[in-house]
Amino acid sequence: DAGVTQSPTHLIKTRGQQVTLRCSPISGHKSVSWYQQVLGQGPQFIFQYYEKEERGRGNFPDRFSARQFPNYSSELNVNALLLGDSALYLCASSLLQSTDTQYFGPGTRLTVL
Amino acid sequence: GESVGLHLPTLSVQEGDNSIINCAYSNSASDYFIWYKQESGKGPQFIIDIRSNMDKRQGQRVTVLLNKTVKHLSLQIAATQPGDSAVYFCAERSNDYKLSFGAGTTVTVRA
Repeated sequence: DAGVTQSPTHLIKTRGQQVTLRCSPISGHKSVSWYQQVLGQGPQFIFQYYEKEERGRGNFPDRFSARQFPNYSSELNVNALLLGDSALYLCASSLLQSTDTQYFGPGTRLTVL
Repeated sequence: GESVGLHLPTLSVQEGDNSIINCAYSNSASDYFIWYKQESGKGPQFIIDIRSNMDKRQGQRVTVLLNKTVKHLSLQIAATQPGDSAVYFCAERSNDYKLSFGAGTTVTVRA
């Protein structure tokens, strides 16, 4: 069975640009969460979506937004990119919002120049 | 085996020995804890989990211990192998279902 998939694998942007990252959850999973992982640190929670609704948001500025589609895939958008946005962006899926185990994808490596 | 009493960012282990990775969590209301393994260039991989109503849980070559009194979590890996070299994160789930991750411990297995 396919796990969580993310695209693109790598991305290079310049300051001020906008970026869209994509995630497809494990088949049958209805919840998607996004995390930012800066080099050398643990992942930091950004958003959780369940049944196409935002159910949780971490301490990130409004430049970060996301949405979930009817097929439960998700997009993370970041506007007005800053150098500090350079990180590995991880998507995790779980069966239900209340289901504990989150399974992570390989991530998208974003570099902002 | 090698025992680590406090959380350390790195752990070097001889192949075949047992490893113990420690983690202190912050939220006494957290009810669920997970250990993830992250290899270079990959996303975190689920290893084992434990609920707050348990003290110990065993998996294949791994055991997680939970001490709620001191808010401490540990992961024991039996007969450590070269493939166990990775960064290990503990994560806690609070009431709002998000996962909060620790700083991570880099495990290096010596041949």
